[in-house]
Amino acid sequence: AQKITQTQPGMFVQEKEAVTLDCTYDTSDQSYGLFWYKQPSSGEMIFLIYQGSYDEQNATEGRYSLNFQKARKSANLVISASQLGDSAMYFCAMTGSARQLTFGSGTQLTVLP
Amino acid sequence: DAMVIQNPRYQVTQFGKPVTLSCSQTLNHNVMYWYQQKSSQAPKLLFHYYDKDFNNEADTPDNFQSRRPNTSFCFLDIRSPGLGDTAMYLCATSRDRGRRGHEKLFFGSGTQLSVL
Repeated sequence: AQKITQTQPGMFVQEKEAVTLDCTYDTSDQSYGLFWYKQPSSGEMIFLIYQGSYDEQNATEGRYSLNFQKARKSANLVISASQLGDSAMYFCAMTGSARQLTFGSGTQLTVLP
Repeated sequence: DAMVIQNPRYQVTQFGKPVTLSCSQTLNHNVMYWYQQKSSQAPKLLFHYYDKDFNNEADTPDNFQSRRPNTSFCFLDIRSPGLGDTAMYLCATSRDRGRRGHEKLFFGSGTQLSVL
């Protein structure tokens, strides 16, 4: 069984500042994938970034980076230079030996002007 | 550019009246998923298709059924909707993961179902 924990129900950040969204996971699989998705109020799930369990370097995609600490089983998302359009719900998720994508409970991010 | 398309965007039905939600994809992915997302909660997997191979989650109610007539289309049928089935229903696709590791899911915009 795999489990994703997001302990921050809501976060606020000032526009143009960086913000870190926390994610910890638990799995018995050796090979797994970690994902972050953004869900605006419109409802669509938008893929942001992926980290494989065997990847030695932290993933980066534009303003998004994933701080992967395997020993601590954490996969925090860092958003640099926040924009108003970043206000949304953010989900951490993972896949393992099963095909299904397991989601955390999400963090509602609000970017303040 | 739409890759995973869900119709309708909003659906209202009456308690007990069957309803069908549809999903189509232009990505030619062989895996398709249906997730249920209730307000302020994480999406929960209902079932998925690996090609025509149907995989039901253990806790998915029998009231929920699915059909996949071809690679491009997948339907979610709710035979007798209850008030508790009010939720966003998300369709997603991915490539065959096989031995290529962990593939990301591509999601549609969802169908918001309201059961009155």
